[in-house]
Amino acid sequence: DGGITQSPKYLFRKEGQNVTLSCEQNLNHDAMYWYRQDPGQGLRLIYYSQIVNDFQKGDIAEGYSVSREKKESFPLTVTSAQKNPTAFYLCASSKWGGGYEQYFGPGTRLTVT
Amino acid sequence: GIQVEQSPPDLILQEGANSTLRCNFSDSVNNLQWFHQNPWGQLINLFYIPSGTKQNGRLSATTVATERYSLLYISSSQTTDSGVYFCAVRLPITGGGADGLTFGKGTHLIIQP
Repeated sequence: DGGITQSPKYLFRKEGQNVTLSCEQNLNHDAMYWYRQDPGQGLRLIYYSQIVNDFQKGDIAEGYSVSREKKESFPLTVTSAQKNPTAFYLCASSKWGGGYEQYFGPGTRLTVT
Repeated sequence: GIQVEQSPPDLILQEGANSTLRCNFSDSVNNLQWFHQNPWGQLINLFYIPSGTKQNGRLSATTVATERYSLLYISSSQTTDSGVYFCAVRLPITGGGADGLTFGKGTHLIIQP
């Protein structure tokens, strides 16, 4: 089955710890994205990558980092510098270029206490 | 940046009713997508519709790009249609580089039996 997987589904961390969220896709898409959703809100773009070993900041990149060492994988690290890390995180992918549909993974709910 | 406004923010209907959800955007776009977010948070692609009209079963969508709005129609509503409906757009970028979607805040639809 082609698709996007995210793990884990739920993640709990103590304040001050870094945490890495996994995103893998087998759709052969070049572009991958990370979004954050807060309760009652739409999604906001954190980072995106058009190609391996390249990525760009989105609207709310502060406190986050990413890597793109493989086409299939785009992990997101939530660092201790992120002031409000508790949120629902969604990964997406698409073909390269703006005129293509984006598809989303099932998301990871991160709770930091 | 581009503004995306969805209306109404909340909608409660009886099963079998029809509904129209609206999305207004503030600039020319080359990508417009409608999503349904289910109670588990999964974003389900409904339509990729930067312009024109599409239909899929009981759902249809129309985008009038020149007037910067899109409409999502749901006919003969079922309880499984409940959830949040998001409109998301992307600005054209010179060179076709991938970029993220900008989301509206969504319409929360409740279908009562």
